[in-house]
Amino acid sequence: AQKITQTQPGMFVQEKEAVTLDCTYDTSDPSYGLFWYKQPSSGEMIFLIYQGSYDQQNATEGRYSLNFQKARKSANLVISASQLGDSAMYFCAMREGLTGTASKLTFGTGTRLQVTL
Amino acid sequence: DVKVTQSSRYLVKRTGEKVFLECVQDMDHENMFWYRQDPGLGLRLIYFSYDVKMKEKGDIPEGYSVSREKKERFSLILESASTNQTSMYLCASSLLMLSKETQYFGPGTRLLVL
Repeated sequence: AQKITQTQPGMFVQEKEAVTLDCTYDTSDPSYGLFWYKQPSSGEMIFLIYQGSYDQQNATEGRYSLNFQKARKSANLVISASQLGDSAMYFCAMREGLTGTASKLTFGTGTRLQVTL
Repeated sequence: DVKVTQSSRYLVKRTGEKVFLECVQDMDHENMFWYRQDPGLGLRLIYFSYDVKMKEKGDIPEGYSVSREKKERFSLILESASTNQTSMYLCASSLLMLSKETQYFGPGTRLLVL
């Protein structure tokens, strides 16, 4: 079974509009962390935002916010006021467990976002 | 700023060649990772290392090996390259295996095996 599922291979959004990128996850570990990364065409992965399984509030970082719905096992990324520079691939990832050498990241297949004028 | 560098951005090799991909980080991170990225499959973990001379298999280690002789350097080795190893290879590092600690990525190496 997929541990991280991103069902939207591609998305379009108009400049200045908000967009939501979906991510659902599957784990039986009560302790986990969820990450979103951006990958521009240059190839480098850029960390955007983190949500811990015990965090009471949804994470926010500037124009990025994470809509964390624990019961539904979803961690959607919301980008407000989209800019042309937001056009990129976006990956959702999960780390199971808090510490230890087994704490690897599992990535989804990604969503390609295109921001239009 | 954390800097993770990879020895080549683009590499073309022939089937059967031994290939070395080098990764260096400058922030004294304990953990280093090698992923491959393929369209529609996302990133998949090949190997990782949490200390010098320590290594653990990831999800797709077959056909690969790694070496970590120094803390800052993590090498991925393709003993005998095959065409199905044509891919984008990404190296990453992180300070500790804490839940909040993010991984920092290099720019990637696009490998073409002919």
